[in-house]
Amino acid sequence: QKEVEQDPGPLSVPEGAIVSLNCTYSNSAFQYFMWYRQYSRKGPELLMYTYSSGNKEDGRFTAQVDKSSKYISLFIRDSQPSDSATYLCAMSPTQGGSEKLVFGKGTKLTVNP
Amino acid sequence: ETGVTQSPTHLIKTRGQQVTLRCSSQSGHNTVSWYQQALGQGPQFIFQYYREEENGRGNFPPRFSGLQFPNYSSELNVNALELDDSALYLCASSLWPPPTPTYEQYFGPGTRLTVT
Repeated sequence: QKEVEQDPGPLSVPEGAIVSLNCTYSNSAFQYFMWYRQYSRKGPELLMYTYSSGNKEDGRFTAQVDKSSKYISLFIRDSQPSDSATYLCAMSPTQGGSEKLVFGKGTKLTVNP
Repeated sequence: ETGVTQSPTHLIKTRGQQVTLRCSSQSGHNTVSWYQQALGQGPQFIFQYYREEENGRGNFPPRFSGLQFPNYSSELNVNALELDDSALYLCASSLWPPPTPTYEQYFGPGTRLTVT
C-alpha cells in the first residue's frame, strides 16, 4: 500500500463549480499536511499548509484534515479557468528538517469557461 | 527577492552517461531539497542538504549524489544514467528553522532530463 493515495483524475468542471480533491494516507506519523498547485512546465507552489485536524480557509480554498480517518481534502469554491492545474497533496511527520515530504500522484483539474 | 532557479531547463543524455544539475536557492534560504518527478507522478524526495551537509535521503541509489556550496546553491549528480532516470528534477529551497509556523519549500521550475 502506498503511503499517500490520490485520485489522479483528470477532473473537468465548468467555471463556478465547487471542486473537491482528496487524499488518503496510511502512515499515522504524518502530522503536517500541504496542498501544492503545479501549472504545466512549472514547479509546485504551496497553496495550503495545516498541522491539525479540522478546516483551514484561505479565500476560495478550504483544506480539511481528518486524522482519525487519515483523509485530507481541498475544496475550491467558485472555480476559475486560472485554477486549471495539477493539485498535489503532500505530508510529513515533522515540520521540516530531515524528514521527507511525501507527495500524492496529483490530480489534474481543468476548469472550463 | 530572487526565486529558485535551475539549470539547464532541458537535457538529453545517453544511457550510461553522467549528468550534473544545478540549483540556486532563494535568497536567505539555507536548505535545499531535490525531488524526482516522473511523468504523471508526484515528486519523490531524493535528498536534502542543510548547511552543506546531506540531511536526509530518500530511496535512491548512491549513484545519485549532491553538493551544497557555501552560498547554499546546490548540485545534483547522477552517474551511470538509466532510462528510468528520465524525469523532471525539482529543487526546493527553504529556511530552517522557519521564521513562521508554516514551513514552506519554494520550488524551482525544474530540469527536464531525457535519457535515451
